[in-house]
Amino acid sequence: EAGVAQSPRYKIIEKRQSVAFWCNPISGHATLYWYQQILGQGPKLLIQFQNNGVVDDSQLPKDRFSAERLKGVDSTLKIQPAKLEDSAVYLCASSLYWRDEQYFGPGTRLTVT
Amino acid sequence: GQSLEQPSEVTAVEGAIVQINCTYQTSGFYGLSWYQQHDGGAPTFLSYNALDGLEETGRFSSFLSRSDSYGYLLLQELQMKDSASYFCAVNHNAGNNRKLIWGLGTSLAVNP
Repeated sequence: EAGVAQSPRYKIIEKRQSVAFWCNPISGHATLYWYQQILGQGPKLLIQFQNNGVVDDSQLPKDRFSAERLKGVDSTLKIQPAKLEDSAVYLCASSLYWRDEQYFGPGTRLTVT
Repeated sequence: GQSLEQPSEVTAVEGAIVQINCTYQTSGFYGLSWYQQHDGGAPTFLSYNALDGLEETGRFSSFLSRSDSYGYLLLQELQMKDSASYFCAVNHNAGNNRKLIWGLGTSLAVNP
């Protein structure tokens, strides 16, 4: 079966610019996650979707970050405007259900200059 | 609050056995998961314990004691390719809030 797809793999932008990431989960997986991982740290959950509804977005900086999963399949994460501290790897993961193992995409490495 | 503690670094030699401990404090505990992440790679699932006891998968085993809020990952017959970061994560279930809470990770270095 195909894995979780993410694009782009790398992105370099200047602060105050905007950026968008795309994720296509494994077919049939109802739960989709966006994580931020700063070098040397564990993944930090930004937002979790169950189908197209938001389950948890408590750690999403909503003044600059937004995410959607309109048809319960693929998802986009947007940052506008970006700050230097947003430099990180953004990981998308999916699972059949919230308690099941999560499958991760390759991630997008964002550098904000 | 919710917290997980695991050692930041562990070093071992090829062929040895290493145990990575994880203690947690959380309400709504549902289970304990372990993930492996190589440098530059994405996390990959290793194991999951919902009940007390030992789960074995090849060279890797994971243990859980719910009464002690404690678990560990045991890696046997270490190989160089096992050098990676290992994360314990709590499957948290409290009402409508269901998610995975991650530890900070343990960096394992396997030396020849």
